[in-house]
Amino acid sequence: GAVVSQHPSWVICKSGTSVKIECRSLDFQATTMFWYRQFPKQSLMLMATSNEGSKATYEQGVEKDKFLINHASLTLSTLTVTSAHPEDSSFYICSAPRKLLAGGPYNEQFFGPGTRLTVL
Amino acid sequence: LAKTTQPISMDSYEGQEVNITCSHNNIATNDYITWYQQFPSQGPRFIIQGYKTKVTNEVASLFIPADRKSSTLSLPRVSLSDTAVYYCLVGQGSGNTGKLIFGQGTTLQVKP
Repeated sequence: GAVVSQHPSWVICKSGTSVKIECRSLDFQATTMFWYRQFPKQSLMLMATSNEGSKATYEQGVEKDKFLINHASLTLSTLTVTSAHPEDSSFYICSAPRKLLAGGPYNEQFFGPGTRLTVL
Repeated sequence: LAKTTQPISMDSYEGQEVNITCSHNNIATNDYITWYQQFPSQGPRFIIQGYKTKVTNEVASLFIPADRKSSTLSLPRVSLSDTAVYYCLVGQGSGNTGKLIFGQGTTLQVKP
């Protein structure tokens, strides 16, 4: 099946630094990718839609200057958490949809393994 | 995007069949129903997807009544490794962006 990878799988950084997380679709092209954040014992919260070749679309309440998204190619989207603070510590997950069959359901979402960010 | 409602948690024992029901009263005509499984510190994993009636694959069955306002995920003979959070989502139909809004999910605890 399709695979989506994330790098790094975990990162620890000091408060005030910026952290970049990569999301790659390994065996298919994804013009759209999605970024989620998940706090302990909570559900996934959609942060933004990453669009290849254009600006990302952010969900209400998500600061676009805080969470920079770049979708430079059909297989790579990056999320940069700028000036990270302890409250940004979370599990960040990306997903990419792929069309299953012509005429069938639009897509199946493939999720990355997640990136655990800890800001000290 | 249609909102979904699921039980927050369920307990079961190894070898039993588990049925998790999800309500989605505002499902749109072109929405599909998809269930995902998530283990701690991992990304969600696709389990099954359907539009109407019944769908079965190697791990689960999905029952969808004619009005499509609810769906039931059936896990046959669960094992300890099925302990996870299960999410029911609607959307992804033709023309949709693929955007998924997760509800609270159902935490399934399988006991020996």
